[in-house]
Amino acid sequence: DAGITQSPRHKVTETGTPVTLRCHQTENHRYMYWYRQDPGHGLRLIHYSYGVKDTDKGEVSDGYSVSRSKTEDFLLTLESATSSQTSVYFCAISGRGSRDNEQFFGPGTRLTVL
Amino acid sequence: GENVEQHPSTLSVQEGDSAVIKCTYSDSASNYFPWYKQELGKRPQLIIDIRSNVGEKKDQRIAVTLNKTAKHFSLHITETQPEDSAVYFCAASERWGAGGTSYGKLTFGQGTILTVHP
Repeated sequence: DAGITQSPRHKVTETGTPVTLRCHQTENHRYMYWYRQDPGHGLRLIHYSYGVKDTDKGEVSDGYSVSRSKTEDFLLTLESATSSQTSVYFCAISGRGSRDNEQFFGPGTRLTVL
Repeated sequence: GENVEQHPSTLSVQEGDSAVIKCTYSDSASNYFPWYKQELGKRPQLIIDIRSNVGEKKDQRIAVTLNKTAKHFSLHITETQPEDSAVYFCAASERWGAGGTSYGKLTFGQGTILTVHP
């Protein structure tokens, strides 16, 4: 599955606590993305990265920050988790080879904020 | 920004019938349109995609058509099988290779739950 992993796979936390989700790829793809998936909304882009230390906001970025200090890792941080951030989070990668637009998704992280 | 609408939200068919899912998009700069299949509890998987320089693409039982003028594209599944049951998502983006700066960001439709009854 395109050498992309996410950790943790499941997490339960309490409102107000910080949470960091990790996306790790072994495919040397340039672009990385964080999406959240909620019923009735499909997948919505939170933040994306177009290179090391190069990131930008997506459609639903409020309450989230990201960092990418090396090609392989893209971190998503919820500074102070809220119940509205309960969701399934998917990381995706793209940007290598002739199929450079094709996005490959990680296995997802199910986050519950109580 | 881009807005993608997908219909229907649920679709139930008998095995062997055809299924059609339709999407419309708003941004005329979009030129890449993938379709993803997501089984319960799994990650989305790309099943077919089309670029704006063609009107139709087929891969075995799956086909996608694109009407740039009307800004809509559709997924066609023929001879449906129970294993086709899943949630299907359409998406749109502007390819960065075409000189845009969207960095391949995808805007997704809301999804269609397809159920194929044996």
